[in-house]
Amino acid sequence: EAGVAQSPRYKIIEKRQSVAFWCNPISGHATLYWYQQILGQGPKLLIQFQNNGVVDDSQLPKDRFSAERLKGVDSTLKIQPAKLEDSAVYLCASRSWRVPQVMESGELFFGEGSRLTVL
Amino acid sequence: AQSVTQPDIHITVSEGASLELRCNYSYGATPYLFWYVQSPGQGLQLLLKYFSGDTLVQGIKGFEAEFKRSQSSFNLRKPSVHWSDAAEYFCAVAPNAGNNRKLIWGLGTSLAVNP
Repeated sequence: EAGVAQSPRYKIIEKRQSVAFWCNPISGHATLYWYQQILGQGPKLLIQFQNNGVVDDSQLPKDRFSAERLKGVDSTLKIQPAKLEDSAVYLCASRSWRVPQVMESGELFFGEGSRLTVL
Repeated sequence: AQSVTQPDIHITVSEGASLELRCNYSYGATPYLFWYVQSPGQGLQLLLKYFSGDTLVQGIKGFEAEFKRSQSSFNLRKPSVHWSDAAEYFCAVAPNAGNNRKLIWGLGTSLAVNP
């Protein structure tokens, strides 16, 4: 079974530039997450999709971050314009969650992440 | 507010020694509990989880964790550490009721293994 695919693995940009990250979840996984992991910290949930609908984007800085999952499969996370504090690893995860409230129904699988450095 | 505390930021052990990583949580009821491992340059991998039942949980790679309700703890253990266990370890909790089952993460414990 193929895992969660993310690209690019590394990206270096200057502040005020834009960047986009792509994620392809495990086939059949209805739930997709984007996390931000700043060095020395645990992951912070940015947005959660169930199929192509947003379940939780309460911690997404909507003035500069956007995400979409148009066909309910792969997803793109965009940052525009980037700030220095956006330097982090952006992790995508997916889960086969038929019933979102039932955590027992599936494990969270993570991709290897996309490391962003903003200069 | 719910929170997860991993008191040890960094731990160094010798290969073959035993290991215990601490995790304490703050939550009104017994939450769901998880341990994840993150090797350098890799994504997070689930080691083990506790939902209910037996408070001693076995996971992958020889790890186990024990849920202690009285101490609000879910410490991770391994009897004999291997060099390949060097990684970042994260404890996470999630509510076991309600519509918002968001994972709450600790800050992680970095494990170094001396040969």
